[in-house]
Amino acid sequence: DAGVIQSPRHEVTEMGQEVTLRCKPISGHNSLFWYRQTMMRGLELLIYFNNNVPIDDSGMPEDRFSAKMPNASFSTLKIQPSEPRDSAVYFCASSLARDRVSPLHFGNGTRLTVT
Amino acid sequence: AQKVTQAQTEISVVEKEDVTLDCVYETRDTTYYLFWYKQPPSGELVFLIRRNSFDEQNEISGRYSWNFQKSTSSFNFTITASQVVDSAVYFCALSGGYQKVTFGIGTKLQVIP
Repeated sequence: DAGVIQSPRHEVTEMGQEVTLRCKPISGHNSLFWYRQTMMRGLELLIYFNNNVPIDDSGMPEDRFSAKMPNASFSTLKIQPSEPRDSAVYFCASSLARDRVSPLHFGNGTRLTVT
Repeated sequence: AQKVTQAQTEISVVEKEDVTLDCVYETRDTTYYLFWYKQPPSGELVFLIRRNSFDEQNEISGRYSWNFQKSTSSFNFTITASQVVDSAVYFCALSGGYQKVTFGIGTKLQVIP
């Protein structure tokens, strides 16, 4: 089975540009998570969806960040406009939520550099 | 609020030594889940173990073992006879019975040949 697929693997952009990160979760999983990893703050949960519905977006840094999940097999994280402090590795993860908390399956991440 | 503390930011050991990675957590939930994940230099995050709050039995998987103690709110991870391939960042994580998972800052383990 294919794992969680993220694209692109690397993104370099200039400050002020719009950035869109993409994620395809594991087929059959009903929960999807976006995390950001930096040296200073470690792994931070930005937002998570359950059955395509955003459940908790309290980790989204500010209005420049938005996430969507139009269907069970696709999600996007958009930053508009991007800033140098957004430089980080962004991970998407999925899980099958049942009556207990399931392990997260992570994608390989997108390394974002904003200059 | 949930919190996971990994006090050791970096550890270096010589190959074949045993090493223990510490994890202390805080939660008000009576039902919760604890996890360990490994992030090798290649960058992906790999699930290692899940333990729920009602199961305090220690677990062993090959060279890996985990010690869960509710009395001290700790979930420590021991690697026996470490190998160079164990070099990675290890994350302890906590979930309060729903899907939101809080990660510790991670412990970077370097195993020197």
